[in-house]
Amino acid sequence: QVQLVESGGGLVKPGGSLRLSCAASGFTFSDYYMSWIRQAPGKGLEWVSYISSSGSTIYYADSVKGRFTISRDNAKNSLYLQMNSLRAEDTAVYYCASIAARYYYGMDVWGQGTTVTVSS
Amino acid sequence: SYELTQPPSVSVSPGQTARITCSGDALPKQYAYWYQQKPGQAPVLVIYKDSERPSGIPERFSGSSSGTTVTLTISGVQAEDEADYYCQSADSSGTSWVFGGGTKLTVL
Repeated sequence: QVQLVESGGGLVKPGGSLRLSCAASGFTFSDYYMSWIRQAPGKGLEWVSYISSSGSTIYYADSVKGRFTISRDNAKNSLYLQMNSLRAEDTAVYYCASIAARYYYGMDVWGQGTTVTVSS
Repeated sequence: SYELTQPPSVSVSPGQTARITCSGDALPKQYAYWYQQKPGQAPVLVIYKDSERPSGIPERFSGSSSGTTVTLTISGVQAEDEADYYCQSADSSGTSWVFGGGTKLTVL
């Protein structure tokens, strides 16, 4: 079945780094754009970044630009988010989601999320 | 930065119609999407391209667009529809995506 599984979350000190992974299965990963979205505790959804199917097109939210890097390995069916210079306000559940062309680029499959806590 | 504005909360009785609005300057140019999120769960796409319904989403969910406002309508609301609903779209350039602040739907 179609599935996305995030991993790599944890507790990190301000200024530290963390790399999130998202493993895809049940669909042709290399055909899909992918995105990262986060949700701070008790808050709404915030789009973080997306990457095209080939990796040639990448966009970031202003809040993470210059600190976060999205990437993918289509051979490994995996999406990544390298997070550097982490701040307390980056504390959130991070979701990966597939972007479906058949749904005009709506995000149709989401992972269960991985929790990132930035605290000293 | 670009923003989408939603009401924080909407309340309806079972069987009634709920309408949740989302306003943004670029909505005449960019498609809107709606996501349902229940507590402790990942979001689910319920409307794409302003008014289309993905497979598996009940017919009581519908969407519409007029100028700078899009609306999610849930007809014949059921208790299971109680959730947070988020609109999502892009800025006029299409390079920056954004979510609305979310609307908590309460079924009385």
